[in-house]
Amino acid sequence: DGGITQSPKYLFRKEGQNVTLSCEQNLNHDAMYWYRQDPGQGLRLIYYSQIVNDFQKGDIAEGYSVSREKKESFPLTVTSAQKNPTAFYLCASRLQGSYGYTFGSGTRLTVV
Amino acid sequence: EDQVTQSPEALRLQEGESSSLNCSYTVSGLRGLFWYRQDPGKGPEFLFTLYSAGEEKEKERLKATLTKKESFLHITAPKPEDSATYLCAVQADFGNEKLTFGTGTRLTIIP
Repeated sequence: DGGITQSPKYLFRKEGQNVTLSCEQNLNHDAMYWYRQDPGQGLRLIYYSQIVNDFQKGDIAEGYSVSREKKESFPLTVTSAQKNPTAFYLCASRLQGSYGYTFGSGTRLTVV
Repeated sequence: EDQVTQSPEALRLQEGESSSLNCSYTVSGLRGLFWYRQDPGKGPEFLFTLYSAGEEKEKERLKATLTKKESFLHITAPKPEDSATYLCAVQADFGNEKLTFGTGTRLTIIP
């Protein structure tokens, strides 16, 4: 079945560490997105990519980095510069020319 | 700046008790308004896209409607399995890739 796979489901980060969240899709979608979800707030866009080897910052890109070396993959690195990284991270994809966004099941990141 | 406000924040209904969720929006040209369902610890699941005022879409016990300023998600005779958080999002026109989300309505259906 086609879909978006995010891993791991739970991730714990120590202070000062960089961690990478995985997002893989087999839907042949062109565009991929990373959103962050915090309690009491709407989802906020971190980064997005419309084609391979190209990506743009969203509203809250500081402290995060991404790469898009393959169409299927869009990993997100949470760097030590991100001061409040504890959140639920959601990856999404969309077929160019369509309006429907498909979301993954999320990664919950906790700073310990 | 695009804004989405959802109300109420939380809603408890008896099984079979119909109601509506509201999504008010401000956007610089509406490309699409989206409704998603989100279960605890899961990613949002797509329900509907509405494009223009007057449009309506239905799926089982859910019906979404759209005006120029707001959208309603009507739930008819809900069942306990309809319990979830319902998210509304808008996408502005002019090639904007971003979805602007509301904070959601947490719906609980009591058997």
